[in-house]
Amino acid sequence: KQEVTQIPAALSVPEGENLVLNCSFTDSAIYNLQWFRQDPGKGLTSLLLIQSSQREQTSGRLNASLDKSSGRSTLYIAASQPGDSATYLCAVNTPGNMLTFGGGTRLMVKP
Amino acid sequence: EPEVTQTPSHQVTQMGQEVILRCVPISNHLYFYWYRQILGQKVEFLVSFYNNEISEKSEIFDDQFSVERPDGSNFTLKIRSTKLEDSAMYFCASSRTGGITYEQYFGPGTRLTVT
Repeated sequence: KQEVTQIPAALSVPEGENLVLNCSFTDSAIYNLQWFRQDPGKGLTSLLLIQSSQREQTSGRLNASLDKSSGRSTLYIAASQPGDSATYLCAVNTPGNMLTFGGGTRLMVKP
Repeated sequence: EPEVTQTPSHQVTQMGQEVILRCVPISNHLYFYWYRQILGQKVEFLVSFYNNEISEKSEIFDDQFSVERPDGSNFTLKIRSTKLEDSAMYFCASSRTGGITYEQYFGPGTRLTVT
């Protein structure tokens, strides 16, 4: 059974810092991996999708990497801003098209 | 930009009652999903739906749950006899197709409170 773990569970940084969020998964038989943002009490906003054959995807200040063989992905956020404060979720898409989610990293960026 | 919509945003019901949660997926999407998130816990997959039938379901999706696409736009989740432990945020999602390329887009969720 696929298990997804995110470290750290919470992170507080000053504005302007670059930061890395980590995601690991136990079964490398994945279609793709998605990173989401969730604001308190809100839905999930898709940030990036990395296909299983890709190593990296970039969108603005976000860069996500995938090492399928080792079961790891990272989300790099450059020049963090207070508006980046949210919970970041990674989810792996396995055959059957079901997403398995990690527990999230709660990010606070202080002005 | 097209988005997934869900109604109602919050539903309060008494234990044992039936509830129907509604979703309108993105119009050209072919795969539809329901997930739930109990407060403080991970988002969990419930069911996927394609070509008018269930393609995958989790252990959570027991006989109390059913899904339906009653017309060309709506996708519903019915819980037949709600329990206290069904209290959660329920998210609908859709994707253009399945497989490696297409991401799933989520709606804003329906918060279900069972009293």
